[in-house]
Amino acid sequence: EVQLLESGGGLVQYGGSLRLSCAASGFTFSNYVMSWVRQAPGKGLEWVSGISGTGGSTYYADSVTGRFTISRDNSKNTLYLQMSSLRAEDTAVYYCAAYRAYRMDVWGQGTTVSVSS
Amino acid sequence: DIQMTQSPSTLSASIADRVTITCRASQSISYWLAWFQQKPGKAPKLLIYRASGLESGVPSRFSGSGSGTEFTLTISSLQPDDFATYYCQQYDNYPWTFGQGTKVEIK
Repeated sequence: EVQLLESGGGLVQYGGSLRLSCAASGFTFSNYVMSWVRQAPGKGLEWVSGISGTGGSTYYADSVTGRFTISRDNSKNTLYLQMSSLRAEDTAVYYCAAYRAYRMDVWGQGTTVSVSS
Repeated sequence: DIQMTQSPSTLSASIADRVTITCRASQSISYWLAWFQQKPGKAPKLLIYRASGLESGVPSRFSGSGSGTEFTLTISSLQPDDFATYYCQQYDNYPWTFGQGTKVEIK
């Protein structure tokens, strides 16, 4: 079964750091671009970051550039998002998604990040 | 960054209604547009990719059209399971961007 499972969310103080993980199974992880997408409470979807299959290319939304770092370990079939200098506006459910055959067709269930001031 | 604008923001409709949601891009994105459905507390679900490709397992009452800067999602006959929020998303250029969403409510 094709599956993504996020972990690592939690409550963190303003200015703190957190690392999210996304474990993939059921498909050839290293072949595909992966993304992080978030959703603040009561708000819409926001694409946060993406990474190529090899990890050689990374992309970020303006809102997180310089604070978040996306990476992957293809030997462990795992995607990461290192978040630092966290702000209240980073409070959200964070989803990982796989971009396969020209679409983001596989999504995890999400992990919740809460930043307290 | 490419801005995606959906209309309307909220739509009230009845069962069996034909429903159309529009998504406009601030610059041409060719056909690199997807539509997602999201229900409360759930992850988004892909409906349409590359503007008009129907994702496997998605009912044929959903269809997408358009290219360049203007796109539509049509539900030909609204069913009870379709009451949800719908998002368009461009993936022509990084950063990828979503529309603000359209909530389809029961009339």
